[in-house]
Amino acid sequence: KNEVEQSPQNLTAQEGEFITINCSYSVGISALHWLQQHPGGGIVSLFMLSSGKKKHGRLIATINIQEKHSSLHITASHPRDSAVYICAVRVNSGGSNYKLTFGKGTLLTVNP
Amino acid sequence: NAGVTQTPKFRILKIGQSMTLQCTQDMNHNYMYWYRQDPGMGLKLIYYSVGAGITDKGEVPNGYNVSRSTTEDFPLRLELAAPSQTSVYFCASSYYRRTGIRGDEKLFFGSGTQLSVL
Repeated sequence: KNEVEQSPQNLTAQEGEFITINCSYSVGISALHWLQQHPGGGIVSLFMLSSGKKKHGRLIATINIQEKHSSLHITASHPRDSAVYICAVRVNSGGSNYKLTFGKGTLLTVNP
Repeated sequence: NAGVTQTPKFRILKIGQSMTLQCTQDMNHNYMYWYRQDPGMGLKLIYYSVGAGITDKGEVPNGYNVSRSTTEDFPLRLELAAPSQTSVYFCASSYYRRTGIRGDEKLFFGSGTQLSVL
């Protein structure tokens, strides 16, 4: 079983819809990252969370440490939001927690 | 700022050839990483470095080597290329800073290298 599971794997939405992408993990973590990867490969960091909630423009990320779950929400989705969204966790591993464990990503397609 | 610069963007190697993927960052980050991304899989850590002169293996280090002689540069060396090394490679750097009782970290990725070994 992967330490980081994302759902859904693929998501198609109509422009303007509210989008939710989920990330569950099975280990203790010190931080969780949400990343965006556009077709053509570039990866951009969206958020780092260790607790609570963060908002940036139309993007909202939440994390529930007790439930080992995080969600990424996109309000008023737009075709330019079409990308792969990746969840990554920094596992609590004593002295060497420099490593991130990545989910496989959620492919979001927003149609006009 | 240029951020993380990774070269080349594309490369085709023959089995047994060697090459070096270059990575440089101009943000004075201590932490640098090399990942590979295979279709349908999450990014896997090959090697990482927490500062100049310090490197360590990640999850999939076999067939690769790295060096970190300066804060800016973190090249990845492939010796004796094999078809299993066909992948997209990403270099990344990060900062970590403590704000109160919490910390903040941000990752910066290079644009990727599409490598095919035939």
